[in-house]
Amino acid sequence: ELKVEQNPLFLSMQEGKNYTIYCNYSTTSDRLYWYRQDPGKSLESLFVLLSNGAVKQEGRLMASLDTKARLSTLHITAAVHDLSATYFCAVGTMNRDDKIIFGKGTRLHILP
Amino acid sequence: NAGVTQTPKFQVLKTGQSMTLQCAQDMNHEYMSWYRQDPGMGLRLIHYSVGAGITDQGEVPNGYNVSRSTTEDFPLRLLSAAPSQTSVYFCASSYHIGTLTYEQYFGPGTRLTVT
Repeated sequence: ELKVEQNPLFLSMQEGKNYTIYCNYSTTSDRLYWYRQDPGKSLESLFVLLSNGAVKQEGRLMASLDTKARLSTLHITAAVHDLSATYFCAVGTMNRDDKIIFGKGTRLHILP
Repeated sequence: NAGVTQTPKFQVLKTGQSMTLQCAQDMNHEYMSWYRQDPGMGLRLIHYSVGAGITDQGEVPNGYNVSRSTTEDFPLRLLSAAPSQTSVYFCASSYHIGTLTYEQYFGPGTRLTVT
């Protein structure tokens, strides 16, 4: 059964600093997704990573995938207050079914 | 395009009542899913569908039924509501090609309270 773990679950950081959110998963997968959720809102897709070594960047966010280590990272560069949100990773199961399982989320609070 | 729509936005039920949460998408997506979100628990998959006529169970299917008679619609039925089903429910859809599901587009959510 696929388990998805994110850490940290809560992160408070200063503007201008760099930090990384980690997403580990327990069984083989070839696709990983990152989403953002603002308080009281729905989820917005950030990145889709479909192969080992995939790296995608959008503004101050960069996501990477290492399928051998079953690990994805979301790196934040020079954080700004607007990036305060909850970030979720999600992983797709393989074999016959095609479930997409979410981690518990990382609540990011960026202090001005 | 309206994207993914959900109705109602808010609902209060009494224990034992039944109801249907509606979800529709106009993007011709094959893959649709239902999640519930509870504080500290992330999103948990209830049921999903890879196409019309095909549904399957997710992580927490008990107490919920789904059907997928058309590509556009994927309603979620609560059979006999319980306080443990108090949650925010999200519907999502995405392209599904072969065994690959692409990014999901989420609806605005339904906030359900069961008293």
